[in-house]
Amino acid sequence: QKEVEQDPGPLSVPEGAIVSLNCTYSNSAFQYFMWYRQYSRKGPELLMYTYSSGNKEDGRFTAQVDKSSKYISLFIRDSQPSDSATYLCAKQGAQKLVFGQGTRLTINP
Amino acid sequence: EADIYQTPRYLVIGTGKKITLECSQTMGHDKMYWYQQDPGMELHLIHYSYGVNSTEKGDLSSESTVSRIRTEHFPLTLESARPSHTSQYLCASSTNRVLAKNIQYFGAGTRLSVL
Repeated sequence: QKEVEQDPGPLSVPEGAIVSLNCTYSNSAFQYFMWYRQYSRKGPELLMYTYSSGNKEDGRFTAQVDKSSKYISLFIRDSQPSDSATYLCAKQGAQKLVFGQGTRLTINP
Repeated sequence: EADIYQTPRYLVIGTGKKITLECSQTMGHDKMYWYQQDPGMELHLIHYSYGVNSTEKGDLSSESTVSRIRTEHFPLTLESARPSHTSQYLCASSTNRVLAKNIQYFGAGTRLSVL
């Protein structure tokens, strides 16, 4: 079993929709979780990080961690075509990050 | 915006050639990483370094080698390129500071095609 599992999609939604992206993880050690966004032919860029359980909000983006179910979520409100990208969740390991496969998201105008 | 640079951005080369992918960062980060990513697939860690003269192999076996002679520079070398090496190579760096949560900053990547 992979340490971080993520549905690769692709996911296609209309502009303005609320998007929910999800990951599950299997190792409870280390409590930092991150979301990266990767545009086509570019390197990943950090979108948000969260510590332990709870929500963290940044503009239209909300990151959520549920430790009891080992679930990580990213919500995008009022989605825009510019949000079209691959979103990668990551969990901090002992010395390095463990990434999910990434979900390819397309927002249709 | 992260100050980490990769060159070249694109490279098309013939089988058997020796290639070096460059990665430099100006943030003074101690830790640096190389990932390999195929289209639509996940990132695979192939090499990392905790500082000067420190290099470790990552989770994915790779025929490439790396060196870390200077803090800011972490080049990756393939002695004899093969078509199976065709992929995107991403370099990243992070700081050793405890409160920094090991956030990694990525370069734009080198897209390598071996014919």
